[in-house]
Parts: sequence; structure tokens; C-alpha cells
Amino acid sequence: DTGVSQDPRHKITKRGQNVTFRCDPISEHNRLYWYRQTLGQGPEFLTYFQNEAQLEKSRLLSDRFSAERPKGSFSTLEIQRTEQGDSAMYLCASSLGFVVGRGTGELFFGEGSRLTVL
Amino acid sequence: SQQGEEDPQALSIQEGENATMNCSYKTSINNLQWYRQNSGRGLVHLILIRSNEREKHSGRLRVTLDTSKKSSSLLITASRAADTASYFCATDERSGGSNYKLTFGKGTLLTVNP
Repeated sequence: DTGVSQDPRHKITKRGQNVTFRCDPISEHNRLYWYRQTLGQGPEFLTYFQNEAQLEKSRLLSDRFSAERPKGSFSTLEIQRTEQGDSAMYLCASSLGFVVGRGTGELFFGEGSRLTVL
Repeated sequence: SQQGEEDPQALSIQEGENATMNCSYKTSINNLQWYRQNSGRGLVHLILIRSNEREKHSGRLRVTLDTSKKSSSLLITASRAADTASYFCATDERSGGSNYKLTFGKGTLLTVNP
């Protein structure tokens, strides 16, 4: 397994356009997370899936943001009607959680998708 | 909101010196983790310490945890230029029952000069 992959790595768009990011987690991981990171800040939690179920969504997320994880495999994060304030790095991570002998609760991150809204 | 706060925000040292970064948090935790991030890249897990542990070692890394003070420190010994990166602490909050969400601090930017 090559780890968590994210696509695209970079996206430049004009204000008002829609964008979609894809994340492919490590195959055996049932937990998937989306974080957002702006320059000089730590990652901020956006949303979390356990298998295909979206269990938590941050109050930071407006209705313009939606995330899915069909069949508990890859995930997509869509931003509609982008605004300049959406410019950030969008990070995906996956985890096994705490599983005796297998999972230690650590997150495995992808390289991120950098969004620039002009 | 961000649970952890790292200190200092930036640290510059010479190769071979030790680097110490501190993290303070607000609520009771299940565990605390440290991550590293090279510029423009994803985060990489370094070490996890559980709330019932006080110290943990991994190679050149040493982590301490003081739950009474709600603080942790990360020590990198014999630093190398390749250790230049941002370092983040992340906490897995105990209160509210959620043990699956990690909350990150703002990070310490470490620069190791050759």
C-alpha cells in the first residue's frame, strides 16, 4: 500500500466555481478525516467518517461544503460557490483507530490538496 | 477551535544541539500525539503518549506528559538539518466521549542550521 493519496495536489479556481477533491485512504483503514490548514496554522478538523457514515461535521463548515465516502472507500470533498476565504490546504487522513495489536490511533495523512481561489 | 498551543512558535538552533518544544492543552485527554510537517507536505506521525504515561522515547525523540499541568514536551536530541520542519501536538479529547477526533495546535517551526 502506498499510503493516503489525494487528487488534485493543486487547484486554482475563480470565485464562484465549484471544486471537488478526492482522497484514497489506506485500504484497511475504516476511519477517514478531512482537515483544512491555512498558512502558519495547525490543521482544523472539518469532518470524519467511520466506514461510509459521516459521524461528525465541524461547525466551521458552511452549507457550501459537502463530503461523501460511498461504500466506505474513497472520499470526496466538494466546495460549491468558492470564496477567497476557502483558499487553504485540504488534508485527508485515515486511521484504524485503537485496535489491539493493529491500530494505535495515529493518523496517516496524504500530501494535501492546495486550493487557491482567485 | 484549537486545543493545543505549542511554545515557542519558532525555534532556530545549530546542528547537534537539542530542541525542546512545549504543548499545553485545555481539557482532559485520552492521549497526546506529536506530528511533523515539512513545508507544503502532509503531516507525519512521530510519537503517541497515553494519559497514564509520563515519558516515552523513540530514537532521538523524547516526549513527556504532565496531565496535572495539562502540558507535554517534545525533545529532539542531536538535531540535524533534516529535522527542519513544523511540529504539532494533537490531543484526543476525553470529555464529551469522542475518542476519534484529533485537535491540533498551531505548531512550532524548527529550523536547524548546518
